Amino acid sequence: QQQVKQSPQSLIVQKGGISIINCAYENTAFDYFPWYQQFPGKGPALLIAIRPDVSEKKEGRFTISFNKSAKQFSLHIMDSQPGDSATYFCAASYTGFQKLVFGTGTRLLVSP
Amino acid sequence: SAVISQKPSRDICQRGTSLTIQCQVDSQVTMMFWYRQQPGQSLTLIATANQGSEATYESGFVIDKFPISRPNLTFSTLTVSNMSPEDSSIYLCSVERQGKGYTFGSGTRLTVV
Repeated sequence: QQQVKQSPQSLIVQKGGISIINCAYENTAFDYFPWYQQFPGKGPALLIAIRPDVSEKKEGRFTISFNKSAKQFSLHIMDSQPGDSATYFCAASYTGFQKLVFGTGTRLLVSP
Repeated sequence: SAVISQKPSRDICQRGTSLTIQCQVDSQVTMMFWYRQQPGQSLTLIATANQGSEATYESGFVIDKFPISRPNLTFSTLTVSNMSPEDSSIYLCSVERQGKGYTFGSGTRLTVV
């Protein structure tokens, strides 16, 4: 199964709050899990990525948590800001596959 | 990460016509990927373009509808042929850089009327 399931579809968070977006996958061959941020009229931009040899990766306010046994990974945005309002996509791939399988996307709105 | 330039950034086309989208990368890459993003939807891979060989198409996409050229290691084109309103989407070019993940162009927003 090459699907990646993403939730929620949309999310409203107050400024300063924590935004959490979840993804789940079936294919245990996946070994690369990036998150992309997309603003209207722009292409997706790589935000942060993780490989399954670690359970957590943090870059600034963005953290990926990875649960290999549950086949789930999530994006946490700490101290969410109005400038974080965008659509976020999780994705997955594996060495040799050379393609990205995308989740369905989460539209995040951070209210001032 | 790689800098990707896509042209045109947007276009409005008449049904039945064709549009060719260009993708230029600032360095040589083995594979280039073309995606479609329908309004409010996620990204769907159309095809993978290797230099010197025919593109590999995903299920549901055919060469007659989406012919692709890959004349060198920094350039590719995607043509959307015999367009209908259902082809109205954002078309995105992407490359993978070793150790740096996949980078996307800013996309071509196509409206078919």
